[in-house]
Amino acid sequence: DVKVTQSSRYLVKRTGEKVFLECVQDMDHENMFWYRQDPGLGLRLIYFSYDVKMKEKGDIPEGYSVSREKKERFSLILESASTNQTSMYLCASSSPPSHTDTQYFGPGTRLTVL
Amino acid sequence: SQKIEQNSEALNIQEGKTATLTCNYTNYSPAYLQWYRQDPGRGPVFLLLIRENEKEKRKERLKVTFDTTLKQSLFHITASQPADSATYLCALGAGGGNKLTFGTGTQLKVEL
Repeated sequence: DVKVTQSSRYLVKRTGEKVFLECVQDMDHENMFWYRQDPGLGLRLIYFSYDVKMKEKGDIPEGYSVSREKKERFSLILESASTNQTSMYLCASSSPPSHTDTQYFGPGTRLTVL
Repeated sequence: SQKIEQNSEALNIQEGKTATLTCNYTNYSPAYLQWYRQDPGRGPVFLLLIRENEKEKRKERLKVTFDTTLKQSLFHITASQPADSATYLCALGAGGGNKLTFGTGTQLKVEL
């Protein structure tokens, strides 16, 4: 079974702090994604990566950056956390060439910025 | 811009009945459509995929239809059980290793 793990289930940070969210997948997937999920807004794509050291902006990249130094690990960085970044953050991975793009999600990190 | 609509109101049904959830989209020509289940505080879990050239797909008590003319997918759960209570998300993809676009989800509550 594909396993996607995230470094924390719950995280509380203060405004202005630098925040790192880590995601690791164990199935050698090429693609990895970071989403945030808010009530009424659904899943919104922040960044994604098709390969090591490659990244693409999603729909809401402002205030975030990412790092992918190894294939299995994709990190989301909040350079200076703000209260409007309080949300559920979900990491996912998928693997071509199945061409179905089925995504496997981690359990999520609920981040609260005070 | 691309838009995916799922009923934002929760769907409450009695155990044993068939639940039907709707996913409508505009400004999109998807190669396939996927349905995911999400339990509270958890990540979504893939359930079913249906391609643009398929009309219907079944898996156990689940059935998905896909009408590219109406730009709509229907997701059915037959003989529903309280354990089916969750939020169900539809997602569209263009294929070829691309990203997915998710709907906001519909919450299903199956009551005894």
